[in-house]
Amino acid sequence: GAGVSQSPRYKVAKRGQDVALRCDPISGHVSLFWYQQALGQGPEFLTYFQNEAQLDKSGLPSDRFFAERPEGSVSTLKIQRTQQEDSAVYLCASSLWAPPNTEAFFGQGTRLTVV
Amino acid sequence: DAKTTQPPSMDCAEGRAANLPCNHSTISGNEYVYWYRQIHSQGPQYIIHGLKNNETNEMASLIITEDRKSSTLILPHATLRDTAVYYCIVPAYNQGGKLIFGQGTELSVKP
Repeated sequence: GAGVSQSPRYKVAKRGQDVALRCDPISGHVSLFWYQQALGQGPEFLTYFQNEAQLDKSGLPSDRFFAERPEGSVSTLKIQRTQQEDSAVYLCASSLWAPPNTEAFFGQGTRLTVV
Repeated sequence: DAKTTQPPSMDCAEGRAANLPCNHSTISGNEYVYWYRQIHSQGPQYIIHGLKNNETNEMASLIITEDRKSSTLILPHATLRDTAVYYCIVPAYNQGGKLIFGQGTELSVKP
């Protein structure tokens, strides 16, 4: 595809359920980022991959959050034992090179609602 | 990191130029200024970036002051579809160059 694709677009999870969010970056892009956006706030950085290596996971809010990119392309963000405060839009972005002199292309996001 | 300061909101009349200011007084010599925007319910969209010189592309112009402590994003002929939150970001080398979004400026283009 031409852009970053995220699935599902919407996810409703019961509290305590595990969820997996998928990101298909633009083909050939080296860098991949995950962000979390709460309602009315700007996106907040979660984690960054360069190819398959997770170089920065400083933004992951707890050990319930886990991200992987095993083959350096598709990435999955997994949230275990979801809680209501995890409700947010999760955004994925990719860029051709490593930051900082490179623009990032964002997907439409996955809106997670925990009930 | 180079913190940015933007006005929380601005209005602009359709067809007029929208000038969005950003202060980044602690920017380092090799750090770029990026602008993104986020239209409601969509992911952020890259607009433009620059280091020292003014930049222009099909979407906008970026004017960076000579001391690099502030910049202005210019949308030359704003349309209703330009209504969005605009983010000025300076990716910090000491933070791996990742994008740190602030609150941005909510631009409302009015007919």
